[in-house]
Amino acid sequence: DAKTTQPPSMDCAEGRAANLPCNHSTISGNEYVYWYRQIHSQGPQYIIHGLKNNETNEMASLIITEDRKSSTLILPHATLRDTAVYYCIVRAWNYGGSQGNLIFGKGTKLSVKP
Amino acid sequence: NAGVTQTPKFQVLKTGQSMTLQCAQDMNHNSMYWYRQDPGMGLRLIYYSASEGTTDKGEVPNGYNVSRLNKREFSLRLESAAPSQTSVYFCASSLEAVHEQFFGPGTRLTVL
Repeated sequence: DAKTTQPPSMDCAEGRAANLPCNHSTISGNEYVYWYRQIHSQGPQYIIHGLKNNETNEMASLIITEDRKSSTLILPHATLRDTAVYYCIVRAWNYGGSQGNLIFGKGTKLSVKP
Repeated sequence: NAGVTQTPKFQVLKTGQSMTLQCAQDMNHNSMYWYRQDPGMGLRLIYYSASEGTTDKGEVPNGYNVSRLNKREFSLRLESAAPSQTSVYFCASSLEAVHEQFFGPGTRLTVL
C-alpha cells in the first residue's frame, strides 16, 4: 500500500500557483519524498524529490515540513498543460531488494482551468 | 536521445495467446522496470531489473516473465494471456535503482 495520502482532486486557475499537499506521517529517516505526474494516457514524468530540505527546480518547488510528516508540491504559475494526476511517493534511498521501488497510490488529479 | 521506447503501442490478444512486450532505453541506465496500470488506478510494479543480469519480482508478478536481454533492453512476456491482464503497461529505467525513473509511452493491451 502507498505510504502517502493525497486529496483525490484539486482545481487551480491558470497563472496561479498550484499547491498540492501530501501526508506521509509514517515516513522513515531513510525515505525521500518523490513527486511524479501523469498527463492523460502518457507515462509518468519525474518532477522533484527531497529528503528534508526544501527543493526547487525548473518545474516546481517542494516544501517538506520540519517533522517530515507532510509536504507540498508547488507549481508557481500553473498552465493548462499542467493538468495531470500528481503522485506523491516515499521511497528509501538505500536501495535493497524491493524497498527502493516506487509505490504509486491514486494521486491527485489537478485540473487547471482558464 | 529517444529515451525509453516501447513496442507495440497497442495490442489485442485472445485468451491463451502469448506475446512479448519490448522495451529499450538509450540513456545507459542500469535499472529497468515494468509496471501495469489499470483504469483509475496508480501504477503497480510487475518486475524490475536492478542491473544487467538480475531480475526480481515486484508487487504483481503472477502471469508474467521478464528477460533483461542486455543493458538496453528489458522484455515482458505473457505466456498465456488472460482478460485480467488487460491493462496499460509501462516500462521505465533509471541510472541506478535509487535515482529517478524515466517512463516510456506505454503499451495498451486488451485480452478478449
